[in-house]
Amino acid sequence: GENVEQHPSTLSVQEGDSAVIKCTYSDSASNYFPWYKQELGKRPQLIIDIRSNVGEKKDQRIAVTLNKTAKHFSLHITETQPEDSAVYFCAARYFGNEKLTFGTGTRLTIIP
Amino acid sequence: DTEVTQTPKHLVMGMTNKKSLKCEQHMGHRAMYWYKQKAKKPPELMFVYSYEKLSINESVPSRFSPECPNSSLLNLHLHALQPEDSALYLCASSPQIGASTDTQYFGPGTRLTVL
Repeated sequence: GENVEQHPSTLSVQEGDSAVIKCTYSDSASNYFPWYKQELGKRPQLIIDIRSNVGEKKDQRIAVTLNKTAKHFSLHITETQPEDSAVYFCAARYFGNEKLTFGTGTRLTIIP
Repeated sequence: DTEVTQTPKHLVMGMTNKKSLKCEQHMGHRAMYWYKQKAKKPPELMFVYSYEKLSINESVPSRFSPECPNSSLLNLHLHALQPEDSALYLCASSPQIGASTDTQYFGPGTRLTVL
């Protein structure tokens, strides 16, 4: 089955700086990679996703890059703000597979 | 309506109680999921329903019993739980399985405490 590794487990960034979280997946058939943000006591919320037919996707301050050859994908947050503080989970699966495999999570803290 | 809703928000139960968690979505999604999430861990898949039929049971103990009465509702019946079952129980839905539009959207969860 799919296995997703996520690094780092914790990340502290000065407000205004950029943050990068990296994930590696094992199943080369995986072709859908979402990122979820979970604030304390709240639901995981989808913030961005990418499919394997593209290498990069941007949405304002958030971007995701995908390297299919190396089987890794990364979340980039620029101009970080205090409200970006949360736990971020990457995930992977392939179309037709109901199971979404999550990474172990990254606790991001933005230092004012 | 673009939300998944769950009731109750919090539930405290004894090990001999029977209770149910409810999940509802009105987005026309045909796949629904139950996840269990422990503190500082990712969501852990329990069950998947596709077109109201159980398609995945991740070897969940029988004290958890899912039910999908119709395409908008998903229940999780609880009986004889153990303290280690205390967790956040999340429901999710997605448009369908096996399509490009299969993003999963989560409900707010039910915080369950078993005494």
